[in-house]
Amino acid sequence: QQPVQSPQAVILREGEDAVINCSSSKALYSVHWYRQKHGEAPVFLMILLKGGEQKGHDKISASFNEKKQQSSLYLTASQLSYSGTYFCGIPGSARQLTFGSGTQLTVLP
Amino acid sequence: GAGVSQSPRYKVAKRGQDVALRCDPISGHVSLFWYQQALGQGPEFLTYFQNEAQLDKSGLPSDRFFAERPEGSVSTLKIQRTQQEDSAVYLCASSPFRVAGEQYFGPGTRLTVT
Repeated sequence: QQPVQSPQAVILREGEDAVINCSSSKALYSVHWYRQKHGEAPVFLMILLKGGEQKGHDKISASFNEKKQQSSLYLTASQLSYSGTYFCGIPGSARQLTFGSGTQLTVLP
Repeated sequence: GAGVSQSPRYKVAKRGQDVALRCDPISGHVSLFWYQQALGQGPEFLTYFQNEAQLDKSGLPSDRFFAERPEGSVSTLKIQRTQQEDSAVYLCASSPFRVAGEQYFGPGTRLTVT
């Protein structure tokens, strides 16, 4: 089942913080986060594992909510290079990812 | 080192034509995935290979879609008798992991069916 992302779009100024949410109807055991710039390939950002361990980016973090049905991605002190569409992906039984519909982030100078 | 490459980058096909899309994964990566991405949407899973074995093809939308990876490296996604609804970006991703892990995506092939 496709995860639901919110917000659909966010605009912020350089240096501001942003939070992107990824919700599922079932408990999440891991969540993958990718960023895609227009016309380019999705690029891996991080994996959030069920124990809260994170593998990936050093300036971006993520967490689960209490029931582990939502993951939030935290972008602190945003840079212009953070602009793009962010996708969360939930692993399936065949190692494939089921992606949300994306959150478009625009960072203005 | 080289990343995942795909060719062609753009393909225009007349409705009813057959097309073949190629993916060159990162050398040594055992897992290979094909995804379809419609405009403004996230990638949708099509099929998965572990080495040369196609372990899951549950995402292929119809029997007009066929994928192969005969030697466990290069993969080809073939679409027969293309329809307008096949227009999308087709993404290939590879991974060194047999379990769910980081995937490295190629730039995609944008297919337009006229």
